[in-house]
Amino acid sequence: DVKVTQSSRYLVKRTGEKVFLECVQDMDHENMFWYRQDPGLGLRLIYFSYDVKMKEKGDIPEGYSVSREKKERFSLILESASTNQTSMYLCATRSGAGEQFFGPGTRLTVL
Amino acid sequence: AQSVAQPEDQVNVAEGNPLTVKCTYSVSGNPYLFWYVQYPNRGLQFLLKYITGDNLVKGSYGFEAEFNKSQTSFHLKKPSALVSDSALYFCAVRVPISSGSARQLTFGSGTQLTVLP
Repeated sequence: DVKVTQSSRYLVKRTGEKVFLECVQDMDHENMFWYRQDPGLGLRLIYFSYDVKMKEKGDIPEGYSVSREKKERFSLILESASTNQTSMYLCATRSGAGEQFFGPGTRLTVL
Repeated sequence: AQSVAQPEDQVNVAEGNPLTVKCTYSVSGNPYLFWYVQYPNRGLQFLLKYITGDNLVKGSYGFEAEFNKSQTSFHLKKPSALVSDSALYFCAVRVPISSGSARQLTFGSGTQLTVLP
């Protein structure tokens, strides 16, 4: 089974802090994704990566950056956290067959 | 641009009754369509997908979905609902174009299914 792990289930940070969310997958998938999930808005794509050191902006990249130095690890960075970034963050990978596999999510609260 | 609509925020159904969760899409080209389920405090789990072929797709946990090209719909169905099916359901679409930006899935806003005992 594909396993996607995220470094934290719950995280509380203060406004202005730099926040790192880590995601690791064990299936050698090339494509990895970061989403945020908000009630009534579904999942919105922040960034994705289709190879090591390659990244593309999704629908809502503002205030975020990403890093993919190794194939199995995809990091989401909030450069200066703000209260409107309080959300559930989901990491996913994608298989060659097209379906995505999600991590358990990180619920981030910015005070 | 591709988009997905789930017109119902909430669906309630009695245990043992058939259930339908609706999804319509808008894309240029032939779509890849997906359903995912999210149980409380968990990530999304893949249920089923339509790529090509038979319009009726069978997936996990007894769910199925029917691709209807003329109505641009991909409704999720189950003949007999269980209380344990209560969860948040997401429909998603992707267009299989080679450009990088088209690798992404576009998700609907989600439908909360509640199966009443």
